[in-house]
Amino acid sequence: EVHLVETGGGLIQPGGALRLACAASGFTVTNNYMSWVRQAPGKGLEWVSLIYNGGKTNYADSVKGRFTISRDNSKNTIYLQMNNLRAEDTAVYYCARSSLSDYGYIDYWGQGTLVTVSS
Amino acid sequence: SYELTQTPSVSVSPGQTASITCSGDKLGEKYISWYQQKSGQSPVLVIYQDKRRPSGIPERFSGSNSGSTATLTVSGTQAMDEADYYCQAWDSIAYVFGTGTKVTVL
Repeated sequence: EVHLVETGGGLIQPGGALRLACAASGFTVTNNYMSWVRQAPGKGLEWVSLIYNGGKTNYADSVKGRFTISRDNSKNTIYLQMNNLRAEDTAVYYCARSSLSDYGYIDYWGQGTLVTVSS
Repeated sequence: SYELTQTPSVSVSPGQTASITCSGDKLGEKYISWYQQKSGQSPVLVIYQDKRRPSGIPERFSGSNSGSTATLTVSGTQAMDEADYYCQAWDSIAYVFGTGTKVTVL
């Protein structure tokens, strides 16, 4: 059974840094596309970043240059390093999987971890 | 960047049909997926590739996509279908989500 468990959220001051982790089970992250999607309080879903099966990465313009997605194959875990955080980065961050055979949609989501950027 | 627009809210009586639309440029040329998000929960995939239902999703959920509009239809709406619904497209390097529609079952 597929499971995604996010950790690492919390309260951080503007300009600070935080690293989120997503531990996957029931499948291998290197055989799928893995994304981070966020949702600000009371707002809609916003795609943040993607790491392809081959390791290439993409980012939304709103986080490019500040966020870095990576993975540890031995731990079957993906990460989101978030630097220079802003108030507008406050959101629940979801880890999400897309199947390599059909990566056009997200078939599994984690439960999310809340990041609050505030002084 | 590509944008998807949804009607902010839809109200429906129990047992009736709810139609949720998603608009975008040449949307019919892309595959559309739909997600249901109940209050305080993670999104759940209910439709992919315009009209296909994942295992476990009731038959009352159906989808279509043509021209510039995709539609999610919930037939015989139940109280448990009250949620936010988001359309989504793959835009070659990114996942694009619609603005979301709140479905209220009165």
